[in-house]
Amino acid sequence: AQTVTQSQPEMSVQEAETVTLSCTYDTSESDYYLFWYKQPPSRQMILVIRQEAYKQQNATENRFSVNFQKAAKSFSLKISDSQLGDAAMYFCAYRSFFSGGGADGLTFGKGTHLIIQP
Amino acid sequence: GAVVSQHPSWVICKSGTSVKIECRSLDFQATTMFWYRQFPKQSLMLMATSNEGSKATYEQGVEKDKFLINHASLTLSTLTVTSAHPEDSSFYICSAPSWGRDTGELFFGEGSRLTVL
Repeated sequence: AQTVTQSQPEMSVQEAETVTLSCTYDTSESDYYLFWYKQPPSRQMILVIRQEAYKQQNATENRFSVNFQKAAKSFSLKISDSQLGDAAMYFCAYRSFFSGGGADGLTFGKGTHLIIQP
Repeated sequence: GAVVSQHPSWVICKSGTSVKIECRSLDFQATTMFWYRQFPKQSLMLMATSNEGSKATYEQGVEKDKFLINHASLTLSTLTVTSAHPEDSSFYICSAPSWGRDTGELFFGEGSRLTVL
């Protein structure tokens, strides 16, 4: 079974600064997906960024980027120019890749509560 | 984008009663849906996988007789909490993978907050 570990229960950053959230995972699979989801107080899950394991290039989405280290099984999220609206719980998640159909759910880490200081 | 809707968003019930939560894919078909439970200040834990036209698959430790799942159509899955007790109070979230080419992403409903008195 896969496991996802987020070692930072809470992080705080000044508005406009950069913050990095850590995530490591354990798997014996070679193909898989990794995600960062954001959960604001409304509790709606919002996809922040997605990475396919077979891609060496790190994914980026505007101010959000990841550092994907497959050999180290590490998947950190960097948020640049932090904004007040970035305040939320951030969950790192793993999903197996099925090439022949079928589906599997996400395995989540425990989450990191991100606080943005004005 | 793909939209998943849950209903009700908030429900209060008395201990011993049953509560049904609906999860609908509004603009795509979902042969599979996932049900998660989230306790306060905790992460999402997968409860079960709902499969259209067949029995649901439950995660270890989840009572299938207590959490009844029905996936009657390609756009609707329901979770019924039977004989609910205060310890069942939680936030329940459903999700579904994209239809056609699977990008890996799951689309989430808004969640349903259950409070059992």
